[in-house]
Amino acid sequence: ETGVTQSPTHLIKTRGQQVTLRCSSQSGHNTVSWYQQALGQGPQFIFQYYREEENGRGNFPPRFSGLQFPNYSSELNVNALELDDSALYLCASSLEWTEAFFGQGTRLTVV
Amino acid sequence: DQQVKQNSPSLSVQEGRISILNCDYTNSMFDYFLWYKKYPAEGPTFLISISSIKDKNEDGRFTVFLNKSAKHLSLHIVPSQPGDSAVYFCAASPNYGGSQGNLIFGKGTKLSVKP
Repeated sequence: ETGVTQSPTHLIKTRGQQVTLRCSSQSGHNTVSWYQQALGQGPQFIFQYYREEENGRGNFPPRFSGLQFPNYSSELNVNALELDDSALYLCASSLEWTEAFFGQGTRLTVV
Repeated sequence: DQQVKQNSPSLSVQEGRISILNCDYTNSMFDYFLWYKKYPAEGPTFLISISSIKDKNEDGRFTVFLNKSAKHLSLHIVPSQPGDSAVYFCAASPNYGGSQGNLIFGKGTKLSVKP
């Protein structure tokens, strides 16, 4: 059974740039959620995708967008990066109403 | 406005003793609660959950207690082991037994279990 994998593991971007983070969900999982974890905080829900459709969104601006592909892998895109976007970005996959399994995260630093 | 609160940033316990991690929430619409454990450089790992219709759920050394009237839950680890040293996150979901995508997390409690 393949777990949730995220790429890249670390990334440094300049303010104003755009970034794409990737997530491969666990085999058989059709639901992917993205979270942002700032230093010293708990993960904060960004949005969820279920069968390629956005299925809920947290309190994040539209410059945070996502995609889910037919194989249920997913991307998180962030436009016009700001310094406060520096955080650990976590992807979690689940099969509908089962517990979510998290990837190891992507550490994004915006300078 | 923090809906899930873990008021103890850290907890230190002796090996073999009980660890009790606490969590408070403010939203009475929450129907499902979970605990995750996180080691450095890894993603959170699901530990145990409880639905709002129960007041206790047990899995091996881990037991979660829910007090709905007090909007409080706690995680008990007995006996504590050095490998339990990690950050523990309490999370809540408004979906009864349901999708765990939209989870609201507390800030976490760092547990240190000393040999």
